[in-house]
Amino acid sequence: DVKVTQSSRYLVKRTGEKVFLECVQDMDHENMFWYRQDPGLGLRLIYFSYDVKMKEKGDIPEGYSVSREKKERFSLILESASTNQTSMYLCASRLRDRSNQPQHFGDGTRLSIL
Amino acid sequence: AQSVTQLDSQVPVFEEAPVELRCNYSSSVSVYLFWYVQYPNQGLQLLLKYLSGSTLVKGINGFEAEFNKSQTSFHLRKPSVHISDTAEYFCAVFRWDNFNKFYFGSGTKLNVKP
Repeated sequence: DVKVTQSSRYLVKRTGEKVFLECVQDMDHENMFWYRQDPGLGLRLIYFSYDVKMKEKGDIPEGYSVSREKKERFSLILESASTNQTSMYLCASRLRDRSNQPQHFGDGTRLSIL
Repeated sequence: AQSVTQLDSQVPVFEEAPVELRCNYSSSVSVYLFWYVQYPNQGLQLLLKYLSGSTLVKGINGFEAEFNKSQTSFHLRKPSVHISDTAEYFCAVFRWDNFNKFYFGSGTKLNVKP
């Protein structure tokens, strides 16, 4: 089974801090994704990466950046955290481009910015 | 623009009753369709997927879904629900012409009552 691991289940940070959310997958997947999930809004794509050192903006990239230095790891960075970034963050991975493979999700990180 | 509509934000149902969760999408090109389930404080888990072939697909936990191309729908059904089915359900669409992007509905919370 695919395992997508997010480093923290719950995280509390302060406004203005630089925040790192880490995600690791163990199935050699090429594609990785970061979403945020808010009540009534479903999942919104922040960034995705289709290979090492490659990244693409999603629908709501403002205030975020990402890093993919190794295939198995995809990091989401909040450059200067703000209270409106309090949310559930979900990482996902997928085998490769243009295939019929589904996304596999981690358990999420519930981030609170005070 | 792609959209995925889950008309019902909440569906209350009694245990052992049948349930249908509705999903409609807009697309003029071929799509792959997925249903995911999210239990409290967890990530999303794949329930089932439609890629091609038979329009009726069966998934885990006794769920099934039917793809209707003319109505651009992919409704999820279960003939008899259990308390343990209480969760949030997300419909997702993958379009071949939009590089690597999944579109998610806003979710339907299924509340199974004893």
